[in-house]
Amino acid sequence: AQSVTQLDSQVPVFEEAPVELRCNYSSSVSVYLFWYVQYPNQGLQLLLKYLSGSTLVKGINGFEAEFNKSQTSFHLRKPSVHISDTAEYFCAVRRTGNQFYFGTGTSLTVIP
Amino acid sequence: ETGVTQTPRHLVMGMTNKKSLKCEQHLGHNAMYWYKQSAKKPLELMFVYSLEERVENNSVPSRFSPECPNSSHLFLHLHTLQPEDSALYLCASSQGVSASGEFLKQYFGPGTRLTVT
Repeated sequence: AQSVTQLDSQVPVFEEAPVELRCNYSSSVSVYLFWYVQYPNQGLQLLLKYLSGSTLVKGINGFEAEFNKSQTSFHLRKPSVHISDTAEYFCAVRRTGNQFYFGTGTSLTVIP
Repeated sequence: ETGVTQTPRHLVMGMTNKKSLKCEQHLGHNAMYWYKQSAKKPLELMFVYSLEERVENNSVPSRFSPECPNSSHLFLHLHTLQPEDSALYLCASSQGVSASGEFLKQYFGPGTRLTVT
């Protein structure tokens, strides 16, 4: 069965420090990979996506993620976080077909 | 009224009841979604409608039945639910769904807090 694992439920980090949010998925078939962000009291917003091609994907707000097929990972990174990055981050996988799965989410808190 | 509205905001129902959740969007969007949010569990995408056609169904039990009569309204019909179905049910809308499955920016309603007794 398809699953998405976000290893850290909460990540506190100081402002201007780097951050990595981890995501692993289980799948033996091709997938599309996404990171969504949910700011407080707002809906999901797409940060970045991997469909094919270069394994390093750049998204909005200075975020990037690297697709690693051998490790079935799609970790999200940002070299220097801001207070405004405080939010809930969801990793998601879509299989070819119509199945879409989310991880449990990682709550990123940026400390001034 | 603007945005995405959901009614009722709170619902308590027995396992033998039949009820419906209603969602309405006033944003002119073409796609609508039902999500289930349980404590300490992943946000679950239940159904996606694009241009009033169901395009996503993530193995949801048949006791949940969606209906999208037009692009502004979305219903979730509930019957013979189980206590584990107690959760916050969120409706969302967006301008559409891309061919690769990307959800264009979503706008969420306030949710319906469902308790099954």
